[in-house]
This record gives sequence, structure tokens and C-alpha cells, in this order.
Amino acid sequence: DVKVTQSSRYLVKRTGEKVFLECVQDMDHENMFWYRQDPGLGLRLIYFSYDVKMKEKGDIPEGYSVSREKKERFSLILESASTNQTSMYLCASSPGVAGIVRSYEQYFGPGTRLTVT
Amino acid sequence: AQSVTQLDSHVSVSEGTPVLLRCNYSSSYSPSLFWYVQHPNKGLQLLLKYTSAATLVKGINGFEAEFKKSETSFHLTKPSAHMSDAAEYFCVVSSLKAAGNKLTFGGGTRVLVKP
Repeated sequence: DVKVTQSSRYLVKRTGEKVFLECVQDMDHENMFWYRQDPGLGLRLIYFSYDVKMKEKGDIPEGYSVSREKKERFSLILESASTNQTSMYLCASSPGVAGIVRSYEQYFGPGTRLTVT
Repeated sequence: AQSVTQLDSHVSVSEGTPVLLRCNYSSSYSPSLFWYVQHPNKGLQLLLKYTSAATLVKGINGFEAEFKKSETSFHLTKPSAHMSDAAEYFCVVSSLKAAGNKLTFGGGTRVLVKP
């Protein structure tokens, strides 16, 4: 079974803090993704990575950055957290040869519910 | 460009009755389509997927979906709802031309199952 784990289920941070959300997958997948989920808006893609050290902006990258130093780990960074970043954050991974487009399904972690006060 | 519209934000059914969740998509290229389910405080789980093989796709837990190109639809059905089906369901589209295997999600349909 594919397993995607996220470092925290619940997180409370203060405005202006630097926040790290970590995601690890154990299936040697090339592609990894970060989404945020808000009521009525569904899932929106923040960033994705199709290879180590490679990243691409998604639909809502503003206020976020990412890091992928190892294939199994993909980190989402909030440089200076703001209250409008309070949300559920979901990490996902999918197989795919690096640089070649495939429409594989994605496997999701349990999510991190982040509250910024 | 691609997009997904889930036509109902909420669906309420009685246990043992059929479930229908409606989804329409648009895509410039041959799409792959997925249905995911999310139970409260959980991640998303893949129910089923269509990737240009059979148009009627069977998934887990008795769900199935039919791809209809002429109607650009991918509706999800189950003949008999169970209490454990209460969850939020997402219709998702991906295009082979979309860089990096990006998925586009519908807004979700929340299913309530009454005893």
C-alpha cells in the first residue's frame, strides 16, 4: 500500500511565524504535490514537484515556497504565516517517469489542519 | 484548460436507496477522470478512475461511474447507500497535456445518509 505521511495533523502558529509542513511518501514516486482545502473551494494546487530539486508553481503559490532535497520528502514553507493561510493542507504523490507526462492517480496523506492566529 | 463542475454541493439519501453524484468536465485533450472520497478529518481516497479504456468503470465499495464523451459527464452511482458512504466526494480531471500530471478538482459533493 502506498503511504503518504504528514508531520502533523494539527498545528497552531502565530502571524509572522515561519512554518514548515513536511510530507514523506514511501513508494518511490516521482511526483509530489501540495494542496490547500477550504470549504466551498475544493482543493487548490499550491506547488508540485516532478523530480528532486525541481518544482513548479500551482494555481495559488503566493505566500508559499517548497523544498525537495530527497525523492521521498516534499516540504511546504510558509515564510511569514498570515491568518488567510489558515486551512487544511494536503500532500499527495503519484508515479511517473521524471519529465514525461502521465495522468496517474494521486495518493493523499491525512492532511494537516493549520490555524494561524 | 480544464475544469470540473459538480452539480450538487449536497446530496441526501436514505440508507438502501440509490446514490447519484453528478459531474461535468471540460478538457482540451483526452481526459483521465477520477472520483475521490474524503471521510471527516481524513485524506482523500481514490474510488475509481477512467483512463480511456471501458467507459463504465467499477470502483471500490460498490461505486461505479460512466464516462459519456458526448455529454462531457462522469457521474458516480451506487445502487444502495450505506451509512458508511456519508462523506465528501470529489470529481477530478487530468489531461495528458497538463504538465506535471496536474489534477483539477471539482468543488465537492457532501453526501448525507439517513437511517
